[in-house]
Amino acid sequence: AQTVTQSQPEMSVQEAETVTLSCTYDTSESNYYLFWYKQPPSRQMILVIRQEAYKQQNATENRFSVNFQKAAKSFSLKISDSQLGDTAMYFCAFMKPSGSARQLTFGSGTQLTVLP
Amino acid sequence: NAGVTQTPKFQVLKTGQSMTLQCAQDMNHNSMYWYRQDPGMGLRLIYYSASEGTTDKGEVPNGYNVSRLNKREFSLRLESAAPSQTSVYFCASSESGGYGYTFGSGTRLTVV
Repeated sequence: AQTVTQSQPEMSVQEAETVTLSCTYDTSESNYYLFWYKQPPSRQMILVIRQEAYKQQNATENRFSVNFQKAAKSFSLKISDSQLGDTAMYFCAFMKPSGSARQLTFGSGTQLTVLP
Repeated sequence: NAGVTQTPKFQVLKTGQSMTLQCAQDMNHNSMYWYRQDPGMGLRLIYYSASEGTTDKGEVPNGYNVSRLNKREFSLRLESAAPSQTSVYFCASSESGGYGYTFGSGTRLTVV
């Protein structure tokens, strides 16, 4: 079974600064998908970024980018120019490529607070 | 608006009561899921349905049942609620191809 580990339960960053959230995972699969989801106080789960394991290029979405290290099984999220609206719980998640239902396995989350 | 609709948003139950959480999606997705979220544990899969007419257990299925009523609707039933089932419940749906899920807004359930 796959496991996803987020070792930082809480982090804080000053507005406009850069912060990196860590995620490691364990799998025997060679191809898979990785995701970062954001959960603000509204409770809504919002997809931030997606990475396909067979692509070496790191995914980016505006101020959000990832550092994907396949050999190390590491998938960190970098948030640049942090904004107050980035305050949220962030979840790293893993998806196997096979099977008719693509189950997501989540980490325990990192609560990020952006300080004014 | 297209998406996943969950009802109710909040519910308080007494131990031993039963209830059904409703979920519907209008994106024509084949797969649907029920997760529970507890502090410090992330989201854990309760049940999923790969397609209409099929359901399978996830990581934490005990105490729950599901019904995939049609392609749009996937309900979660608690037959005899227990305090350990106090949690936030999320329904989600996905298309094939590893594109991630679309989540509902969640149901906060408290069992007293």
